[in-house]
Amino acid sequence: EAGVAQSPRYKIIEKRQSVAFWCNPISGHATLYWYQQILGQGPKLLIQFQNNGVVDDSQLPKDRFSAERLKGVDSTLKIQPAKLEDSAVYLCASSLGDLTGDYEQYFGPGTRLTVT
Amino acid sequence: QKEVEQDPGPLSVPEGAIVSLNCTYSNSAFQYFMWYRQYSRKGPELLMYTYSSGNKEDGRFTAQVDKSSKYISLFIRDSQPSDSATYLCASSEEAAGNKLTFGGGTRVLVKP
Repeated sequence: EAGVAQSPRYKIIEKRQSVAFWCNPISGHATLYWYQQILGQGPKLLIQFQNNGVVDDSQLPKDRFSAERLKGVDSTLKIQPAKLEDSAVYLCASSLGDLTGDYEQYFGPGTRLTVT
Repeated sequence: QKEVEQDPGPLSVPEGAIVSLNCTYSNSAFQYFMWYRQYSRKGPELLMYTYSSGNKEDGRFTAQVDKSSKYISLFIRDSQPSDSATYLCASSEEAAGNKLTFGGGTRVLVKP
C-alpha cells in the first residue's frame, strides 16, 4: 500500500513570496490533515478535511494560509505572503476517518520550508 | 502553558538499556493517549495508543497512563540503535487518533 505522498520535499523562498505544497493521501482515506512542525517542536494541526469539507481550521492563520481539497482526494496548502516564522516542516497525514471510526493517522515525509 | 509537555532531551542510553519517556498534560478531557516515533526527516509513525488510564504492552514497548496525575509514560526495553529517534506523545478528547495535541518530542539516542 502506497503511503502519503508530499511534494516538494524541500523549498527555499524569500519572505513575502508565495509557496504551495501538495499532498496525495492514502487511497480511500477520507480524512486529511495538514500540520506545521517547527524545529524542536511537535506537530501543530493547521487544518483537517473530511472528504472535501473543512472540519477544523481553528489554528490556520487565514490571513496568509489557505488550503483546499478538491474532489476529496489531493490537497494543496498555500502560504501567501510567507514570513520568516513560517520556516517549518509541513506534514500531511490521512486516516480512514468518520466512515469507519478509524482515525489512525499516517504521515507523509513532509515538506521542509525555509523562508529567508 | 502547553496542553501536552515533554522534556526535549536528548536522552542518551547504552544499547540494551531501558528507555523511559514521560509526558504531562493539562486537559482533563483527554481520553486517548498516543506515542509516535519520528526518525530524522521522516513523518511521525504511530507506535501505540491507550484509552483512559492503564497499561498497554506491545513487544518491547509499554505505555502507561495515569489520569489522576495527568502523566503518560513510554518504556522501551532492550533498546537498540534503531530506536534512536524523536518520540512524540499526543492526546485527544475524541476518537483515538483524531484531533491530536502533540507534545514537543523527546530525542533519544541509543549508543552501540
